[in-house]
Amino acid sequence: GQNIDQPTEMTATEGAIVQINCTYQTSGFNGLFWYQQHAGEAPTFLSYNVLDGLEEKGRFSSFLSRSKGYSYLLLKELQMKDSASYLCAVTGNNRLAFGKGNQVVVIP
Amino acid sequence: NAGVTQTPKFQVLKTGQSMTLQCAQDMNHEYMSWYRQDPGMGLRLIHYSVGAGITDQGEVPNGYNVSRSTTEDFPLRLLSAAPSQTSVYFCASSRQGAGYEQYFGPGTRLTVT
Repeated sequence: GQNIDQPTEMTATEGAIVQINCTYQTSGFNGLFWYQQHAGEAPTFLSYNVLDGLEEKGRFSSFLSRSKGYSYLLLKELQMKDSASYLCAVTGNNRLAFGKGNQVVVIP
Repeated sequence: NAGVTQTPKFQVLKTGQSMTLQCAQDMNHEYMSWYRQDPGMGLRLIHYSVGAGITDQGEVPNGYNVSRSTTEDFPLRLLSAAPSQTSVYFCASSRQGAGYEQYFGPGTRLTVT
């Protein structure tokens, strides 16, 4: 089975940096995804980590430690449009299991 | 490319009614899946398919059937709707499997009264 844990909500100021954590326990781990979901919309892909370490893509970076069952998503230079839910998902045995998501609210 | 399309966008059913949620993709993706999303629960996998003719159960399959007769289409059937099936349903597809970027449809908001 899979157990994926994310904090539920955080508020941050425009221009700031925010780190969203995800811990997981799973059998048959292949990789970890981060998706962004705006209210009322479908999730969209942000990043995929298979190996340990940091992957940087513009203002977004994602880190994975397989031995610790831990990942984080780093959002830099926050913009109002970054207000959304951020979903962590682990893949294994050809299935994708999502955490409950972390709601980020960006304030001016 | 239209990507992943879902119909209908909204649906209201009475308890006991049956219906089919449609999902189609035009990207020639092998892997397709259905999720439901409920407040506080995140996305939960209902059924998935690794290719035409092959389907498998996910985390919450009870009360739902699927089939995959073509690469493009992956309909989800509710056999006898129950209020517990009130949810937002997302269909997704990817090139080859769960370890590839999933492309999500816009979702179907279903209410069962």
